[in-house]
Amino acid sequence: KAGVTQTPRYLIKTRGQQVTLSCSPISGHRSVSWYQQTPGQGLQFLFEYFSETQRNKGNFPGRFSGRQFSNSRSEMNVSTLELGDSALYLCASSIRTGVSTDTQYFGPGTRLTVL
Amino acid sequence: AQSVTQLDSHVSVSEGTPVLLRCNYSSSYSPSLFWYVQHPNKGLQLLLKYTSAATLVKGINGFEAEFKKSETSFHLTKPSAHMSDAAEYFCVVRENSGYSTLTFGKGTMLLVSP
Repeated sequence: KAGVTQTPRYLIKTRGQQVTLSCSPISGHRSVSWYQQTPGQGLQFLFEYFSETQRNKGNFPGRFSGRQFSNSRSEMNVSTLELGDSALYLCASSIRTGVSTDTQYFGPGTRLTVL
Repeated sequence: AQSVTQLDSHVSVSEGTPVLLRCNYSSSYSPSLFWYVQHPNKGLQLLLKYTSAATLVKGINGFEAEFKKSETSFHLTKPSAHMSDAAEYFCVVRENSGYSTLTFGKGTMLLVSP
């Protein structure tokens, strides 16, 4: 079974631009979560989608948004990029939502650099 | 509320010697606990998880962890380190309550010398 895939793997943008990242979950997984990883803050939860609905949201500004499609693929968007948005963005999928024992499987991440 | 503390930011071992990565957690409800590993420029890979079954959990690549409720700890061990174990390791907690999310520790970088 194919793992979680994320595209693109690397992105370079300039301040003020916007960016869209894509995540395809493992087949049969309906929950997709997004995380931001930076050297200073570590791994932080952004949001989770299940059945095209946002189920949970982390403490990030409204410039960060996401959506999920009927095939469970998900995108996240960051508008008006700031230098501090430079990070590795990780997507994770799991079969269900709201079940703490379910494993989340991570993709390889998208490395975003904001200049 | 939930939180997790990884007690060492870096651990250095020699190949063939035991590995101990320490993790303490805090949770208002009975937690699920996970250890993930991240190799350079890669995503996170699950090593093992505790979900209130056996307190000694065996994972991949010879790793295991023991859940100790009285000490609120979930330390990761391996009897003999291999060069390929060099990576960053994350302890993760998730409360068994509603739509809780994963909370990550800051990570422990494991360095393995020949």
